[in-house]
Amino acid sequence: EVQLVQSGAEVKKPGESLKISCMGSGYSFITSWIGWVRQMPGKGLEWVGIIHPGDSDTLYSPSFQGQVTISADKSMNTASLQWSSLKASDTAIYYCATWKVSGSFDYWGQGTLVTVSS
Amino acid sequence: AIQLTQSPSSLSASVGDRVIVTCRTSQGMSSALAWYQQKPGKPPKLLISDASILESGVPSRFSGSGSGTDFTLTISSLQPEDFATYYCQHFNGFSITFGQGTRLEI
Repeated sequence: EVQLVQSGAEVKKPGESLKISCMGSGYSFITSWIGWVRQMPGKGLEWVGIIHPGDSDTLYSPSFQGQVTISADKSMNTASLQWSSLKASDTAIYYCATWKVSGSFDYWGQGTLVTVSS
Repeated sequence: AIQLTQSPSSLSASVGDRVIVTCRTSQGMSSALAWYQQKPGKPPKLLISDASILESGVPSRFSGSGSGTDFTLTISSLQPEDFATYYCQHFNGFSITFGQGTRLEI
């Protein structure tokens, strides 16, 4: 059974750094793309980026390029999303999901709520 | 960048109704279009990929069709568990785009 388990909710202050994670199991983590999707409070879904853990090939949404960093640790079957300096506008739920080459996200994590507030 | 416009943005319907949600793109695209269902407090669930391929375990009352610039998600006979928000999503080889969502209400 494919499972994506994300790290717990975070409360941070503006300017702080943060790294959230997503551990995959039940499938070949190294050969499958994995991505991140943002959902701001009461809003729709926004693509952040995707990474291929096997070679760390990464594709970012232009809206998030330079704002976040996506990485993957093959030894831990874990993908991560990190910020160096959070803003209040980063407050959202962040989902990780496996990416099918046919062009869709098939398995999803439970989501990580990130709250940025002074 | 490709923009996806869903219509309607919200829809009120009743159990047993046939419902159609449309996803229109700003430019013609491949059939790499997917549909998701999201219920409050839950992650999205993939219903349909490649415009018309029903994912395993998804009830057959859901169907997808379309090509070029216009795609549709049809629910043939609404069930109580279908009231949710639906999103379309497209991949053009280097960028992933979601529609703004369609909220389906009782």
